[in-house]
Amino acid sequence: ETGVTQSPTHLIKTRGQQVTLRCSSQSGHNTVSWYQQALGQGPQFIFQYYREEENGRGNFPPRFSGLQFPNYSSELNVNALELDDSALYLCASSFPEHMDEQFFGPGTRLTVL
Amino acid sequence: EDKVVQSPLSLVVHEGDTVTLNCSYEVTNFRSLLWYKQEKKAPTFLFMLTSSGIEKKSGRLSSILDKKELFSILNITATQTGDSAVYLCARTRSGGSNYKLTFGKGTLLTVNP
Repeated sequence: ETGVTQSPTHLIKTRGQQVTLRCSSQSGHNTVSWYQQALGQGPQFIFQYYREEENGRGNFPPRFSGLQFPNYSSELNVNALELDDSALYLCASSFPEHMDEQFFGPGTRLTVL
Repeated sequence: EDKVVQSPLSLVVHEGDTVTLNCSYEVTNFRSLLWYKQEKKAPTFLFMLTSSGIEKKSGRLSSILDKKELFSILNITATQTGDSAVYLCARTRSGGSNYKLTFGKGTLLTVNP
């Protein structure tokens, strides 16, 4: 059984560009959530996907969007990057019968210059 | 309101000491409280608590929830340098369709040899 994986590990972009981050859920997990963690802060909820549909969204603008695929992998897309988007982006997945218990991937460190 | 407050924000101890980390939360529609350990990137799941007064234990770590006073503690006995990490506390809410985690800022624990 493999855990949650994310790619890429690190990414450097410039302001105004667009970025796509990827996440593969742990085997058997059908729910995936994305979080943004700024330096020195706890992770902030961006949105959650369940059975390929968005299932809740945090206080993030529409330029943050996502997808979940039939194999439960997921993408986070961010358009028109801003300097404040620099953060660690974490993906978490959970079993359908224990959706509170979320297991995190190693994250993607995004730097916007 | 979903606020989660952790204290202290940082703590330095010597190997062998016992530490207690605190997490308080606001009550609205509480469902569960989770503790994670974050060493470099991926938060690692430690405990999930839903019932008051029932201690959960894993080796030298233990945790308990007080739903009347709205807090949880995480105890680590006989600390080791490998316990150095950020410890995150998070809560979930009932009543909605999604299972987002609302995190505190974390407690940075440093264990010196």
